[in-house]
Amino acid sequence: DAGVTQSPTHLIKTRGQQVTLRCSPKSGHDTVSWYQQALGQGPQFIFQYYEEEERQRGNFPDRFSGHQFPNYSSELNVNALLLGDSALYLCASSFGLDEQFFGPGTRLTVL
Amino acid sequence: GQNIDQPTEMTATEGAIVQINCTYQTSGFNGLFWYQQHAGEAPTFLSYNVLDGLEEKGRFSSFLSRSKGYSYLLLKELQMKDSASYLCVHSGAGSYQLTFGKGTKLSVIP
Repeated sequence: DAGVTQSPTHLIKTRGQQVTLRCSPKSGHDTVSWYQQALGQGPQFIFQYYEEEERQRGNFPDRFSGHQFPNYSSELNVNALLLGDSALYLCASSFGLDEQFFGPGTRLTVL
Repeated sequence: GQNIDQPTEMTATEGAIVQINCTYQTSGFNGLFWYQQHAGEAPTFLSYNVLDGLEEKGRFSSFLSRSKGYSYLLLKELQMKDSASYLCVHSGAGSYQLTFGKGTKLSVIP
């Protein structure tokens, strides 16, 4: 049984560009949450998707948007990239409000 | 927003016991998680406390006091592979958001 998968593993972009990160949840999970983790910090909640809708959003600007597909997979889009967006982006899946299982993350570097 | 406080770093000896403390604001509390994160890897679930008291799971135990806004993670018979960051995570009532502490970096030395 595959766990949570994310792609790509690493990504390098320049300021002002746009990026799309992808996540496939663990089998049987219907909820996907996205987090940003800066070096030496704990993950920060970006938003959560359930039934193809954004159910809750953290304190992130509108440049961060997402989508959930009928197969429960999800995308995170970031527009107008800033240097400060460089971080590890983690996707976590769960069934309802059960414990969240994290993917390996996408390391984004903005130059 | 929720403020979670835990020590930045701790060092302990192989075979010993270590306790990692965490405090949080008591309002709007639903539950408290502990996750382990090795350097460069994703966080992995360790425990979840909703009610007061101690939950034991092998070498790891987690304690919760809701009235005091306090939790701790207890690691027994420390092994070198326990060197990792331990994240205290708050789940709020009526919220789907998990709020993570900054993590406690535990170093286990021989």
